[in-house]
Amino acid sequence: GQNIDQPTEMTATEGAIVQINCTYQTSGFNGLFWYQQHAGEAPTFLSYNVLDGLEEKGRFSSFLSRSKGYSYLLLKELQMKDSASYLCAVSAHSGNTPLVFGKGTRLSVIA
Amino acid sequence: DVKVTQSSRYLVKRTGEKVFLECVQDMDHENMFWYRQDPGLGLRLIYFSYDVKMKEKGDIPEGYSVSREKKERFSLILESASTNQTSMYLCASSLGNTGELFFGEGSRLTVL
Repeated sequence: GQNIDQPTEMTATEGAIVQINCTYQTSGFNGLFWYQQHAGEAPTFLSYNVLDGLEEKGRFSSFLSRSKGYSYLLLKELQMKDSASYLCAVSAHSGNTPLVFGKGTRLSVIA
Repeated sequence: DVKVTQSSRYLVKRTGEKVFLECVQDMDHENMFWYRQDPGLGLRLIYFSYDVKMKEKGDIPEGYSVSREKKERFSLILESASTNQTSMYLCASSLGNTGELFFGEGSRLTVL
């Protein structure tokens, strides 16, 4: 079966760093995505990891360990606008196979 | 700028009505998807399509059908809407190499 786990909710302070974890068990692995979704809006692409290691993109970084079935999204210098849901999704097979999504982590950034 | 457009942002329908949700993409993507999103349940795949006139069931196809007569358009049909189909419906497309999805703005359907 396919299973992706991530925390349901997290709260962090403006200016701080927060790490959102994602663990997965899937029948195959072709890459892992992180999406950001603000309330009432569509998900938007944040990052894609296919090899082990850290991918940095401005204030956001994403890490992958294929051997551990584990990823995290790191958000630095948190801003109020970072309050959103963060979705972890795995491409289990080829790019033509639908992504498997976790239920999402709702992040609240407080002053 | 790539775009996935859903025909209606908000709809209110009555139980038993037939509902059409339209989705158009301008990126020449082969793959298109329909998801519904509910609090606490995340994104759930209803149907997807790899090519014109092709369709595959997702995780929750019951009560839904789809149509893909042209590459750029993928329609979701609720033959007889029920209150448990009140949800946010998201259409997405992908090129098929990495599987990266591009989402539409979503259609929030309320069935009374």
